[in-house]
Amino acid sequence: DQQVKQNSPSLSVQEGRISILNCDYTNSMFDYFLWYKKYPAEGPTFLISISSIKDKNEDGRFTVFLNKSAKHLSLHIVPSQPGDSAVYFCAASTGTASKLTFGTGTRLQVTL
Amino acid sequence: EAQVTQNPRYLITVTGKKLTVTCSQNMNHEYMSWYRQDPGLGLRQIYYSMNVEVTDKGDVPEGYKVSRKEKRNFPLILESPSPNQTSLYFCASSLIGSGDNEQFFGPGTRLTVL
Repeated sequence: DQQVKQNSPSLSVQEGRISILNCDYTNSMFDYFLWYKKYPAEGPTFLISISSIKDKNEDGRFTVFLNKSAKHLSLHIVPSQPGDSAVYFCAASTGTASKLTFGTGTRLQVTL
Repeated sequence: EAQVTQNPRYLITVTGKKLTVTCSQNMNHEYMSWYRQDPGLGLRQIYYSMNVEVTDKGDVPEGYKVSRKEKRNFPLILESPSPNQTSLYFCASSLIGSGDNEQFFGPGTRLTVL
Protein backbone atom coordinates (compact mmCIF):
# COMPACT_ATOMS: atom_id res chain seq x y z
CA ASP A 1 0.00 0.00 0.00
CA GLN A 2 1.65 3.17 -1.24
CA GLN A 3 1.04 5.77 1.47
CA VAL A 4 2.86 8.53 -0.41
CA LYS A 5 2.16 8.86 -4.12
CA GLN A 6 3.72 10.87 -6.88
CA ASN A 7 1.51 10.19 -9.86
CA SER A 8 3.64 11.95 -12.46
CA PRO A 9 6.76 9.93 -13.25
CA SER A 10 8.18 12.76 -15.33
CA LEU A 11 7.77 16.45 -16.08
CA SER A 12 9.37 18.68 -18.70
CA VAL A 13 9.47 22.45 -18.22
CA GLN A 14 11.15 25.26 -20.11
CA GLU A 15 13.86 27.24 -18.43
CA GLY A 16 12.45 30.28 -16.64
CA ARG A 17 8.97 28.83 -16.27
CA ILE A 18 7.37 27.38 -13.16
CA SER A 19 7.76 23.69 -12.27
CA ILE A 20 5.02 22.16 -10.15
CA LEU A 21 5.58 18.73 -8.66
CA ASN A 22 2.72 17.03 -6.87
CA CYS A 23 2.45 14.52 -4.05
CA ASP A 24 -0.54 12.85 -2.40
CA TYR A 25 -0.64 10.91 0.85
CA THR A 26 -3.17 8.64 2.47
CA ASN A 27 -2.00 8.41 6.08
CA SER A 28 -3.65 11.17 8.10
CA MET A 29 -1.09 10.66 10.87
CA PHE A 30 1.67 12.18 8.72
CA ASP A 31 2.48 15.61 10.03
CA TYR A 32 5.84 16.43 8.52
CA PHE A 33 6.65 16.48 4.84
CA LEU A 34 9.94 16.79 3.01
CA TRP A 35 11.16 17.09 -0.56
CA TYR A 36 14.43 15.53 -1.64
CA LYS A 37 16.30 16.06 -4.88
CA LYS A 38 18.41 13.36 -6.49
CA TYR A 39 20.98 13.62 -9.24
CA PRO A 40 22.28 10.51 -11.03
CA ALA A 41 25.03 8.64 -9.17
CA GLU A 42 24.41 10.66 -5.99
CA GLY A 43 22.33 10.18 -2.86
CA PRO A 44 19.15 12.20 -2.29
CA THR A 45 19.69 15.63 -0.77
CA PHE A 46 17.22 17.51 1.36
CA LEU A 47 15.52 20.41 -0.39
CA ILE A 48 12.68 21.81 1.70
CA SER A 49 10.17 20.68 4.31
CA ILE A 50 6.87 21.71 5.83
CA SER A 51 5.12 20.96 9.08
CA SER A 52 1.40 20.22 9.13
CA ILE A 53 0.77 23.35 11.18
CA LYS A 54 1.68 25.40 8.12
CA ASP A 55 0.24 25.53 4.63
CA LYS A 56 3.22 27.11 2.92
CA ASN A 57 6.99 27.22 3.28
CA GLU A 58 9.32 29.17 1.05
CA ASP A 59 13.06 28.96 0.51
CA GLY A 60 14.37 31.04 -2.36
CA ARG A 61 13.04 29.65 -5.63
CA PHE A 62 11.38 26.71 -3.87
CA THR A 63 7.96 26.80 -2.22
CA VAL A 64 6.07 23.88 -0.77
CA PHE A 65 2.30 24.06 -0.32
CA LEU A 66 0.33 21.73 1.92
CA ASN A 67 -3.41 21.10 1.65
CA LYS A 68 -4.24 18.90 4.62
CA SER A 69 -7.90 18.44 3.79
CA ALA A 70 -6.96 17.09 0.35
CA LYS A 71 -3.89 15.25 1.70
CA HIS A 72 -1.89 16.89 -1.04
CA LEU A 73 1.33 18.81 -1.24
CA SER A 74 3.14 20.44 -4.09
CA LEU A 75 6.59 21.82 -4.76
CA HIS A 76 6.87 24.94 -6.89
CA ILE A 77 10.15 25.94 -8.48
CA VAL A 78 10.23 29.46 -9.89
CA PRO A 79 12.03 30.19 -12.12
CA SER A 80 13.15 26.74 -13.23
CA GLN A 81 16.80 26.35 -14.17
CA PRO A 82 18.61 23.60 -16.10
CA GLY A 83 20.44 22.63 -12.89
CA ASP A 84 17.06 21.74 -11.38
CA SER A 85 16.85 18.73 -13.69
CA ALA A 86 16.79 15.78 -11.29
CA VAL A 87 14.47 13.26 -9.67
CA TYR A 88 12.38 14.74 -6.86
CA PHE A 89 11.08 12.59 -4.03
CA CYS A 90 8.32 13.54 -1.65
CA ALA A 91 8.56 12.04 1.85
CA ALA A 92 6.41 12.07 4.97
CA SER A 93 6.83 11.27 8.64
CA THR A 94 4.83 11.10 11.85
CA GLY A 95 5.64 13.24 14.86
CA THR A 96 9.28 13.31 15.82
CA ALA A 97 9.81 9.75 14.65
CA SER A 98 12.61 9.59 12.15
CA LYS A 99 11.06 7.07 9.74
CA LEU A 100 10.41 8.62 6.35
CA THR A 101 7.97 7.15 3.86
CA PHE A 102 8.92 8.09 0.32
CA GLY A 103 6.98 8.52 -2.89
CA THR A 104 8.10 6.98 -6.16
CA GLY A 105 9.70 10.15 -7.48
CA THR A 106 9.17 12.56 -10.38
CA ARG A 107 11.88 13.16 -12.95
CA LEU A 108 12.03 16.86 -13.80
CA GLN A 109 13.73 17.99 -16.98
CA VAL A 110 14.27 21.69 -17.48
CA THR A 111 14.87 22.47 -21.13
CA LEU A 112 16.62 25.47 -22.63
CA GLU B 1 33.06 17.58 6.24
CA ALA B 2 29.80 16.12 7.53
CA GLN B 3 28.96 13.09 5.46
CA VAL B 4 27.63 9.58 5.13
CA THR B 5 29.97 7.20 3.35
CA GLN B 6 29.18 3.82 1.81
CA ASN B 7 31.43 1.12 0.45
CA PRO B 8 31.62 -0.31 -2.07
CA ARG B 9 29.92 2.02 -4.54
CA TYR B 10 29.48 -0.73 -7.10
CA LEU B 11 29.36 -4.48 -6.58
CA ILE B 12 28.65 -7.41 -8.87
CA THR B 13 28.31 -10.76 -7.16
CA VAL B 14 26.74 -14.18 -7.61
CA THR B 15 23.76 -15.79 -5.95
CA GLY B 16 24.49 -17.07 -2.47
CA LYS B 17 27.81 -15.35 -1.87
CA LYS B 18 27.60 -13.42 1.40
CA LEU B 19 28.37 -9.74 1.21
CA THR B 20 28.47 -6.67 3.43
CA VAL B 21 27.91 -3.06 2.47
CA THR B 22 29.39 -0.66 4.98
CA CYS B 23 27.93 2.66 6.05
CA SER B 24 29.55 5.25 8.27
CA GLN B 25 28.54 8.75 9.39
CA ASN B 26 30.57 11.41 11.17
CA MET B 27 27.73 13.58 12.47
CA ASN B 28 27.08 11.72 15.73
CA HIS B 29 23.57 10.89 14.56
CA GLU B 30 21.53 8.44 16.60
CA TYR B 31 19.28 7.33 13.75
CA MET B 32 20.56 5.34 10.79
CA SER B 33 18.65 3.60 8.06
CA TRP B 34 19.03 1.55 4.90
CA TYR B 35 16.88 2.02 1.80
CA ARG B 36 16.70 0.38 -1.57
CA GLN B 37 15.65 2.24 -4.69
CA ASP B 38 13.95 0.37 -7.51
CA PRO B 39 12.33 1.73 -10.69
CA GLY B 40 8.71 2.69 -10.10
CA LEU B 41 8.94 1.91 -6.38
CA GLY B 42 10.87 4.85 -5.00
CA LEU B 43 12.88 4.47 -1.82
CA ARG B 44 11.83 1.69 0.51
CA GLN B 45 13.21 1.26 4.00
CA ILE B 46 14.97 -2.03 4.75
CA TYR B 47 16.14 -1.66 8.36
CA TYR B 48 16.72 1.17 10.75
CA SER B 49 18.47 1.81 14.03
CA MET B 50 17.56 4.30 16.73
CA ASN B 51 20.87 3.92 18.55
CA VAL B 52 23.67 1.47 19.35
CA GLU B 53 22.38 -2.09 19.67
CA VAL B 54 18.84 -0.95 18.74
CA THR B 55 17.69 -2.07 15.29
CA ASP B 56 14.31 -2.78 13.75
CA LYS B 57 12.75 -3.90 10.49
CA GLY B 58 11.60 -1.45 7.90
CA ASP B 59 9.19 -2.16 5.07
CA VAL B 60 11.27 -4.69 3.10
CA PRO B 61 13.62 -6.50 5.54
CA GLU B 62 13.52 -10.01 4.04
CA GLY B 63 16.95 -11.28 3.04
CA TYR B 64 18.88 -8.60 4.91
CA LYS B 65 20.58 -8.24 8.28
CA VAL B 66 22.07 -5.24 10.03
CA SER B 67 24.08 -4.51 13.14
CA ARG B 68 24.80 -1.38 15.14
CA LYS B 69 27.76 -2.01 17.41
CA GLU B 70 29.07 1.54 17.16
CA LYS B 71 27.15 4.76 16.76
CA ARG B 72 28.89 5.75 13.53
CA ASN B 73 28.60 2.45 11.63
CA PHE B 74 25.59 0.58 10.30
CA PRO B 75 26.57 -2.26 7.93
CA LEU B 76 24.03 -4.02 5.71
CA ILE B 77 24.57 -7.78 5.39
CA LEU B 78 23.20 -10.04 2.68
CA GLU B 79 23.82 -13.58 3.92
CA SER B 80 22.70 -15.27 0.70
CA PRO B 81 22.06 -12.70 -2.02
CA SER B 82 19.51 -13.43 -4.72
CA PRO B 83 18.88 -11.69 -8.07
CA ASN B 84 15.81 -9.88 -6.68
CA GLN B 85 18.19 -7.99 -4.38
CA THR B 86 19.76 -6.32 -7.38
CA SER B 87 19.12 -2.69 -6.58
CA LEU B 88 20.52 0.70 -5.63
CA TYR B 89 21.08 0.93 -1.89
CA PHE B 90 21.29 4.06 0.23
CA CYS B 91 22.31 4.54 3.82
CA ALA B 92 21.00 7.56 5.70
CA SER B 93 21.35 9.14 9.12
CA SER B 94 19.68 11.82 11.19
CA LEU B 95 19.34 13.27 14.64
CA ILE B 96 16.37 12.03 16.63
CA GLY B 97 13.95 14.70 17.81
CA SER B 98 15.56 17.41 15.72
CA GLY B 99 12.15 18.61 14.66
CA ASP B 100 12.65 18.51 10.93
CA ASN B 101 13.38 14.80 10.42
CA GLU B 102 15.92 15.64 7.74
CA GLN B 103 17.96 12.59 6.81
CA PHE B 104 21.41 12.74 5.25
CA PHE B 105 22.07 10.18 2.56
CA GLY B 106 25.19 8.41 1.40
CA PRO B 107 26.14 8.29 -2.29
CA GLY B 108 24.60 4.88 -2.89
CA THR B 109 25.79 1.34 -3.64
CA ARG B 110 24.72 -0.26 -6.89
CA LEU B 111 24.48 -4.01 -6.35
CA THR B 112 24.02 -6.59 -9.08
CA VAL B 113 23.39 -10.21 -8.11
CA LEU B 114 23.83 -12.67 -10.98
